This record gives sequence, C-alpha cells and structure tokens, in this order.
Amino acid sequence: AQSVTQLGSHVSVSEGALVLLRCNYSSSVPPYLFWYVQYPNQGLQLLLKYTSAATLVKGINGFEAEFKKSETSFHLTKPSAHMRDAAEYFCAVSDLGRALTFGSGTRLQVQP
Amino acid sequence: KAGVTQTPRYLIKTRGQQVTLSCSPISGHRSVSWYQQTPGQGLQFLFEYFSETQRNKGNFPGRFSGRQFSNSRSEMNVSTLELGDSALYLCASSLGAVQETQYFGPGTRLLVL
Repeated sequence: AQSVTQLGSHVSVSEGALVLLRCNYSSSVPPYLFWYVQYPNQGLQLLLKYTSAATLVKGINGFEAEFKKSETSFHLTKPSAHMRDAAEYFCAVSDLGRALTFGSGTRLQVQP
Repeated sequence: KAGVTQTPRYLIKTRGQQVTLSCSPISGHRSVSWYQQTPGQGLQFLFEYFSETQRNKGNFPGRFSGRQFSNSRSEMNVSTLELGDSALYLCASSLGAVQETQYFGPGTRLLVL
C-alpha cells in the first residue's frame, strides 16, 4: 500500500520568495508521483509528474520537483512566488492499480 | 480538445434520496475515475472504470456505485444519501495505463440536508 505525507497544511511566503512544499511518499513498488494544484471552486490541475525518466521534473508555471529515492521525497519548489500561485497543492502517488493516493494538501498563501 | 466535463456542478439533496452524477471524459480517454473530496477526509478514490468495466474500487460502502457507457461517459450513483456524503465529487479521465496522467473535471458539489 502506498501513502503520501505533506508536511505543513499551510505555507505562507512573500511574493518573490522561494516556494518549497514538502511531500514524502511510501510505496512498495517504484512510484509514479504527481503534484496537482487546486484553485478555489475548481478541480485539480496537473503541475508535473515523475515517471522515472528523470529525477528533476519541470512542470507548468515555473514549478519543479526532485525525486529523491533515498529520502522518499518529492518536494515541489518554485524560485519566485507570484500572487497567482496562491492555491492548494496536492502531492499524489499512483500504484499499479492506477488509483491516485493523495496527501492532505498544503494551502499556499502569498503575501504582497 | 475539450476537457473533462461534469454535470451538474451543484446539487442539493435531502437525506435518504439518491443522486446521479455524470462525467464526460476527454475525447479518446477510456478510463474514468471518481474521487470524493471532503474537508475531513481529503481526496479519496471511489472507483475506476475502463472500457465499461470497473477495474478498481476504493473503500466506500455499496451505496456508492458507478457505470461507464460505450462512449466512455460515466455516471456515479449514491443511494440513501447521508449527511456525510456532502462533498465535492471529482471525475478524472486518462488513457488508462499506470503512468498516464489523470485529468480532472471541475467537480460536482453535493450538499445533503
């Protein structure tokens, strides 16, 4: 069985500051890992995914994530936060059954 | 290409009633998955359909059911609604392989009174 832990339910940064959202996973098989973003009253939008092709994955809107097997982590980063990045972010792992197991989410607040 | 569409977007029901939600996947996608999102439990997998067959199922009671049609459109049904069924129900479609991205619709927000 797989699981995902997102450290920090709320993260607040200043506009222009580094964004770091933490995700640790547990999986009995090589994982497929995803980051999704959810804006208020909307569904989930894929930011990026890891499928073992490269450990550093670049996504949309300037986000990237690094897969570290030794640390079982897949943290999401963005060098410079923008006001429009304020949203809830979910890390997810996919097992061989294709169902996504989500973390509890991290709400990112960007201060002007 | 049009994205995943879900209807209706909002729904209000009373306890004991049943409800049917609809999902139209991205054209060419054969897999449709359903998820429930609540403040307390977060995002939880309900079930997945592929080529009209349920391929995977989460840990939900039998009151939750679904089906998929030959055009890949899917419906989920919840019978004998309970207050705790109030949630955002999200549908996601994909091509169907393990590593394929699931693309989510905007969701149906169900309120049970």
